[in-house]
Amino acid sequence: TQLLEQSPQFLSIQEGENLTVYCNSSSVFSSLQWYRQEPGEGPVLLVTVVTGGEVKKLKRLTFQFGDARKDSSLHITAAQPGDTGLYLCAGAWAGGGADGLTFGKGTHLIIQP
Amino acid sequence: KAGVTQTPRYLIKTRGQQVTLSCSPISGHRSVSWYQQTPGQGLQFLFEYFSETQRNKGNFPGRFSGRQFSNSRSEMNVSTLELGDSALYLCASRQGASNGYTFGSGTRLTVV
Repeated sequence: TQLLEQSPQFLSIQEGENLTVYCNSSSVFSSLQWYRQEPGEGPVLLVTVVTGGEVKKLKRLTFQFGDARKDSSLHITAAQPGDTGLYLCAGAWAGGGADGLTFGKGTHLIIQP
Repeated sequence: KAGVTQTPRYLIKTRGQQVTLSCSPISGHRSVSWYQQTPGQGLQFLFEYFSETQRNKGNFPGRFSGRQFSNSRSEMNVSTLELGDSALYLCASRQGASNGYTFGSGTRLTVV
């Protein structure tokens, strides 16, 4: 079974601080996606990265795909209470297979005012 | 443009019963996938349908089944419910294999 490990599992910081969330695997992804989920709702797609070394920015969020396409990170600058939520990474394996997207277990992020 | 619609939002069932959940994808999306989300296991892939054909299936027992209709709407069925089937069941649609998913708000199933 291929695994996607996210860290940290929980993170609580003050408004205005910076943070980084990591997503790692021993296998290679063909693509990786980041989602944000709020209580009682489904995940919402933030970004898709496809090319090794790719960096994408979405306002205060910066997403990076590792050169070897085995890992990714999400960096939030000057976090705000509205950033609170469950952040999920999800990968499609380069070897294909019948497993759909594999999700990490997520990072529960709380930004305190 | 309407999003992915899942019905019902909440459901309480008794052990041994069966349940059917419904999903209407975004118009024009022919791929529909189902995921189970629990606090302990996170999101786990159930199955994916494209043009009424099951393309992929996750590692779940045969009690979990699904289908897709010609209008791309999908249903999933769980028979002989167990307490451990209590979860948020999420449906997601996408335009193609290289696109990200759009998720519905889910159906919260509680088995008592």
